[in-house]
Formats: sequence, C-alpha cells, structure tokens
Amino acid sequence: KNEVEQSPQNLTAQEGEFITINCSYSVGISALHWLQQHPGGGIVSLFMLSSGKKKHGRLIATINIQEKHSSLHITASHPRDSAVYICAVGESGGGADGLTFGKGTHLIIQP
Amino acid sequence: NAGVTQTPKFRILKIGQSMTLQCAQDMNHNYMYWYRQDPGMGLKLIYYSVGAGITDKGEVPNGYNVSRSTTEDFPLRLELAAPSQTSVYFCASSYIDDTEAFFGQGTRLTVV
Repeated sequence: KNEVEQSPQNLTAQEGEFITINCSYSVGISALHWLQQHPGGGIVSLFMLSSGKKKHGRLIATINIQEKHSSLHITASHPRDSAVYICAVGESGGGADGLTFGKGTHLIIQP
Repeated sequence: NAGVTQTPKFRILKIGQSMTLQCAQDMNHNYMYWYRQDPGMGLKLIYYSVGAGITDKGEVPNGYNVSRSTTEDFPLRLELAAPSQTSVYFCASSYIDDTEAFFGQGTRLTVV
C-alpha cells in the first residue's frame, strides 16, 4: 500500500508570500490529486495530474514521477487561501479501491 | 448542479444506537466512496461501489454497512454505534477511477 507524506504539516506565512507544499509517495501511482479543505467545510478538488505541471489561477501543481514527488505552489498568497491542503494518490494499475491520502498541510496566511 | 450531497451535517448518537448517513450524487458517476477523517490522520476508505448493486470493503469497514440500489445513492449504515466511530465522514464520487473526485460537505458524527 502506498504511503503518502506531506510537508510541512503546518505553515504560517504573510499575505503575498510564495507558498510551497510538498508531497511524496512510496510506490507507482496512476494519478495524484491535490485537495483543499476549509475549516468545518467540505473537500474540493484542486488538481488531478499524472505528469508535468498544471496551473489554475494562482495555484500551480507539479509532479515528478521518477522521484515520486509532487509540489503545490501558491503565488501571491491571500488570507482566503488559508485551509488544509491534502495530497492523495490513486494506485498504479487502476482499481476502484479509492485514494490514499496524506495527513494534510494546515496553511494560515496572515494579513 | 448539486454535486455530492450528504445528510445530516451533524449528529450526536448514543452508544448502541444506529443511524444511516445519506449520500446522493447527480453527476451520473459510477464510482462512489465513503471515507472517514480522524484528527491528525489521512482519510481512510470505509466502503466503495463501482456501480449499482456492487459494493466492496475498504480499509476500515468494521461496524459499517452500505448498499447501492441506484446509481445516485450510496447510504452508509452504522449499527450499534461505538465511541470509536466518532469522526467526520465524507462521501465522494467519480465517473470512473483515475478521474476527478467530487466530495460531499461531510457529516460530523459524535458517539457518546
């Protein structure tokens, strides 16, 4: 079973800073997901990627399949970016048995 | 488009009581999942379904049951609630595996 590690566990930054959250996994995957969870709220999918890089607004996600590593970047961070960011992977070879999740990175952006 | 809808949002149960957490999706997704989220832990898979009439156990199925009589609905049944089932429960769906996952708003359950 895959092991998914995220770093840092907690991150506090000032508004406007460039943010990087890292995710590593132990075995081959079919796809990697970045998710966002606001306090007391539901979970929203930000990205799903299996190679390269994706960008949506101020958010950028990259993945290096050889190194089994992904990063989520936030440019020009804003207090509304404060949330828990979760990395999750689907097992290589397919199969319907869900995703394996990291424990999440708790991000606070101070004004 | 409602996406994935979970009810209730909050519930307090007494030990030994039973309840059903409801989950419905209107995206015609084949795959549906139930996860639980405990403090400081990643989400864990309880049960999943790849289509109406087909369900299977995930990583932590003990104390739970599911059914999938329609494509839209995937209820999770708790029999004889125990304090260890205190958690936040998320339902999710996707069209097939390796596609974008859509999550409900979660159900916060406390067993006392």
